[in-house]
Amino acid sequence: GQNIDQPTEMTATEGAIVQINCTYQTSGFNGLFWYQQHAGEAPTFLSYNVLDGLEEKGRFSSFLSRSKGYSYLLLKELQMKDSASYLCAVGNYGQNFVFGPGTRLSVLP
Amino acid sequence: GAVVSQHPSWVICKSGTSVKIECRSLDFQATTMFWYRQFPKQSLMLMATSNEGSKATYEQGVEKDKFLINHASLTLSTLTVTSAHPEDSSFYICSPTGPGSYNEQFFGPGTRLTVL
Repeated sequence: GQNIDQPTEMTATEGAIVQINCTYQTSGFNGLFWYQQHAGEAPTFLSYNVLDGLEEKGRFSSFLSRSKGYSYLLLKELQMKDSASYLCAVGNYGQNFVFGPGTRLSVLP
Repeated sequence: GAVVSQHPSWVICKSGTSVKIECRSLDFQATTMFWYRQFPKQSLMLMATSNEGSKATYEQGVEKDKFLINHASLTLSTLTVTSAHPEDSSFYICSPTGPGSYNEQFFGPGTRLTVL
């Protein structure tokens, strides 16, 4: 079966750092993706991990531990525009994704 | 990045009518199209997968006679919600993939369907 878990909501302050966790139990694994989705819009790609470790991309970093079925997205120097839902998804390019429930992040001034 | 368009971006219709949503991949050939829907405050759920020129494969719980998918060309796929009901109100998102897109996964901008 497929099960992906994320916290439902998080709140953080502008300029701070926030870590959004994702745990997964899936029948297959090709890669772990993180997407950002603003209300009423389609998801936009943030990061992709296929091997264990940390991938850094500007203010965003994503970590993966395949043995633990665990990933996190780290957002640094939070800005108001980072208020959005963050979806982790298991899948691979060219294949369908299984999405987690999403974490709604609110950034406060 | 690739450009994916959906039309309409939003639609309001009466219960019992049919609504057609178009998804176009504008700069690569979409050999496969994934259709997702997203209910308010929920995540994306895969509805069906279609390969160009073949019948779509539907996920469990998705009625194939209600959600008609046509993928007749490499640049266009359509999803028709037949006899729409209020519970079909959702955000429908397409995700095309194919040669030339394997280094990214693209999503259309979505179609907001509201059935009165």
